[in-house]
Amino acid sequence: DQQVKQNSPSLSVQEGRISILNCDYTNSMFDYFLWYKKYPAEGPTFLISISSIKDKNEDGRFTVFLNKSAKHLSLHIVPSQPGDSAVYFCAANQAGTALIFGKGTTLSVSS
Amino acid sequence: DTGVSQDPRHKITKRGQNVTFRCDPISEHNRLYWYRQTLGQGPEFLTYFQNEAQLEKSRLLSDRFSAERPKGSFSTLEIQRTEQGDSAMYLCASSRLAGQAKSNYGYTFGSGTRLTVV
Repeated sequence: DQQVKQNSPSLSVQEGRISILNCDYTNSMFDYFLWYKKYPAEGPTFLISISSIKDKNEDGRFTVFLNKSAKHLSLHIVPSQPGDSAVYFCAANQAGTALIFGKGTTLSVSS
Repeated sequence: DTGVSQDPRHKITKRGQNVTFRCDPISEHNRLYWYRQTLGQGPEFLTYFQNEAQLEKSRLLSDRFSAERPKGSFSTLEIQRTEQGDSAMYLCASSRLAGQAKSNYGYTFGSGTRLTVV
């Protein structure tokens, strides 16, 4: 049973436009949500996180939105840049337990 | 802070052989995690340590797999009698205890060890 789902395997966006990556989860006990970015031949890199007590967290060009009633979160990247092209993983956990990751969405930003 | 180091970066082994991977976490991080990633999948949790204690093991961690973290520093992951299905990227990550530094809550991953079983 996949507790964290990223239903879009890929997304293509033009440079300067907004990228929206989506993630759904099934476990209502999750209290922390994170996004990771991964380039080929490297490990995932932490990008941004949000606690379940918040509905938005912003860090520069990256904003994560959490809709607990819908069990849905999204990552917005504005403006998108070619260097943002990577695989993005959504992850979640309950306090003290290991992160559970989605399958990832490959973002391609064209110039 | 030199990050999380994993050794080797690549390992090719024949089916039935034993392999061992090493992970050196960030020195001030209490927790160390092992994940496995196969093509088209996200990282799948295998096990984690808090200091030297192994606190949780996934059902993915069959009896052919064993992990250790002696003295709460580096960790090793051993796979005995490797099978072709063990071919994957093995990722190690470390983190502070949750709540100690929320801005650093995210795990820091190493670059992984890519295992190919032929």
